[in-house]
Amino acid sequence: EAEVAQSPRYKITEKSQAVAFWCDPISGHATLYWYRQILGQGPELLVQFQDESVVDDSQLPKDRFSAERLKGVDSTLKIQPAELGDSAMYLCASSLDQPPRQGFVTDTQYFGPGTRLTVL
Amino acid sequence: AQTVTQSQPEMSVQEAETVTLSCTYDTSESNYYLFWYKQPPSRQMILVIRQEAYKQQNATENRFSVNFQKAAKSFSLKISDSQLGDTAMYFCALSYNFGNEKLTFGTGTRLTIIP
Repeated sequence: EAEVAQSPRYKITEKSQAVAFWCDPISGHATLYWYRQILGQGPELLVQFQDESVVDDSQLPKDRFSAERLKGVDSTLKIQPAELGDSAMYLCASSLDQPPRQGFVTDTQYFGPGTRLTVL
Repeated sequence: AQTVTQSQPEMSVQEAETVTLSCTYDTSESNYYLFWYKQPPSRQMILVIRQEAYKQQNATENRFSVNFQKAAKSFSLKISDSQLGDTAMYFCALSYNFGNEKLTFGTGTRLTIIP
């Protein structure tokens, strides 16, 4: 069964360092999401891609976070510099959504195993 | 803006019993989708069940069923004949149909099935 791949699974870094996370969605899935899940809370969307274009990055702290999906397939999320408050699980998800149109049914989002980031 | 509230941080139940997890939400949209996701310890989040807001019939998936009360904005999950493998965090989530498919999650309920 196809799955969303993420790496690394765990990352420990010191504050002010740069970190990067990688996500490979299920083949053929046009939409890719990055969520951040702080311990004890539900995931919150950071950025959403439709193919290589950003659809929603309103909650992405753009002074330190960046995300790209250059060829519309895999994606990288970067934090520079990392801060203590960035410690969280970073989840990637993908879905087969086509560009929104009237009557289109939201497709299921499939999640990867996540990257657990600890900033010391 | 939409919100999702789960008022039960933790629950536990004996194996084979039935348990109901609560979820309420708030949205100004008339067309939306509701989901229950399961996140087992150290494993990825998977979809348990989904409900389209325009459907009056409650969704069911094997041992999992929902009680969708649109007027009350309530969306509870019932797990029948609970199994040890049901131990997990359960998240209620909401998304829209038109142009904004991001999921808005609640804070989760940690469910423990006791042997």
